[in-house]
Amino acid sequence: AQKITQTQPGMFVQEKEAVTLDCTYDTSDQSYGLFWYKQPSSGEMIFLIYQGSYDEQNATEGRYSLNFQKARKSANLVISASQLGDSAMYFCAMRGPPRGKLIFGQGTELSVKP
Amino acid sequence: DTGVSQNPRHKITKRGQNVTFRCDPISEHNRLYWYRQTLGQGPEFLTYFQNEAQLEKSRLLSDRFSAERPKGSFSTLEIQRTEQGDSAMYLCASSLEGGSNQPQHFGDGTRLSIL
Repeated sequence: AQKITQTQPGMFVQEKEAVTLDCTYDTSDQSYGLFWYKQPSSGEMIFLIYQGSYDEQNATEGRYSLNFQKARKSANLVISASQLGDSAMYFCAMRGPPRGKLIFGQGTELSVKP
Repeated sequence: DTGVSQNPRHKITKRGQNVTFRCDPISEHNRLYWYRQTLGQGPEFLTYFQNEAQLEKSRLLSDRFSAERPKGSFSTLEIQRTEQGDSAMYLCASSLEGGSNQPQHFGDGTRLSIL
């Protein structure tokens, strides 16, 4: 069975600093996708970044980068130069077989302090 | 670019009543998903469609739940004889068909409160 684990229920970061949100996963599949989503207090889920299991380079999207360590089964999200608007819940998710549904972790609540 | 649209945004109903939610996906997306999210948890998968075919249903989807996507466009999720435990945010998402790299784009959700 596939599983996503996010061990940090809450994180604080000072504005303009970088922060790493942890995500580990478990799967027996060789081919899979890993996603990060942001959920502000308003409720919508916003897609941030994707990493494929066969991608050799870590994914980057603007201030977001994904630190992918396949052997350790970890896919940590790094947010550089944090902004107040980054305060939100962040969910790590994996595309499970048969490549349809997403399996989500429990999320990390990030608070950015001015 | 029109995103995923869900209606209503909020629904308050008495226990035992039936409720129906609607989801309009991004127009070119042929896959549509329903998730349920309770407070403090990540979304949990309920069901998904490829065009009008319902390809997978979660064990969470009891007999009181039914979802349809009759013409492969919008979808409805109906809950019959609602119970207190049905109170949650119901999220709809859509994506293009393809490999595991296709992101799912979510709507704003319907928040259901059972009195």
